Amino acid sequence: DAKTTQPPSMDCAEGRAANLPCNHSTISGNEYVYWYRQIHSQGPQYIIHGLKNNETNEMASLIITEDRKSSTLILPHATLRDTAVYYCIVRTHLGETSGSRLTFGEGTQLTVNP
Amino acid sequence: DGGITQSPKYLFRKEGQNVTLSCEQNLNHDAMYWYRQDPGQGLRLIYYSQIVNDFQKGDIAEGYSVSREKKESFPLTVTSAQKNPTAFYLCASSSSGRGGSSSSYEQYFGPGTRLTVT
Repeated sequence: DAKTTQPPSMDCAEGRAANLPCNHSTISGNEYVYWYRQIHSQGPQYIIHGLKNNETNEMASLIITEDRKSSTLILPHATLRDTAVYYCIVRTHLGETSGSRLTFGEGTQLTVNP
Repeated sequence: DGGITQSPKYLFRKEGQNVTLSCEQNLNHDAMYWYRQDPGQGLRLIYYSQIVNDFQKGDIAEGYSVSREKKESFPLTVTSAQKNPTAFYLCASSSSGRGGSSSSYEQYFGPGTRLTVT
């Protein structure tokens, strides 16, 4: 399985951009990078995913380096409600008949300060 | 509303008792998953099911059992063989777990069940 490495914690001022890094140096060519977040004592919430190109949706932007060994999740205007644990995950393929799985690490605790 | 429901939210049991956690989804998803989360840690996969009447062990299946008799339901039984059953249990589903060609593998999570065994 491809492993991911994230800083354990980060702080961000409200209204500023939050940039959360992730290293996945052993990622395979057909593996996707997914980002989820988990607000305390709730189920994780999907944010965004990508393969090679940068992606943007209503929640965030995902920047993947050209060699695909790292990525950055960007929350353009962080709010207090964005305080959560953010997980960077590489989708692992088990084969055509066995499907895929997501392996969650410990993530980054993002604290947005007023 | 479409989504995943887990019940109950909090569950207390005595040591040595089996307990079954409920997970139901009305998203018409083929794949379902059970995760365990301990304080300050990430999620660990217990079992997953790609399709009805089929399931596979995840990373920490010992002491747990599941069934998948219906597409909508994926109950998890925590048996007395599980040495440290106290944890936060999360159920999830996704539209398809099979194949590598699908680009979207978004998992939808339920609200979780917090199990305390004393």
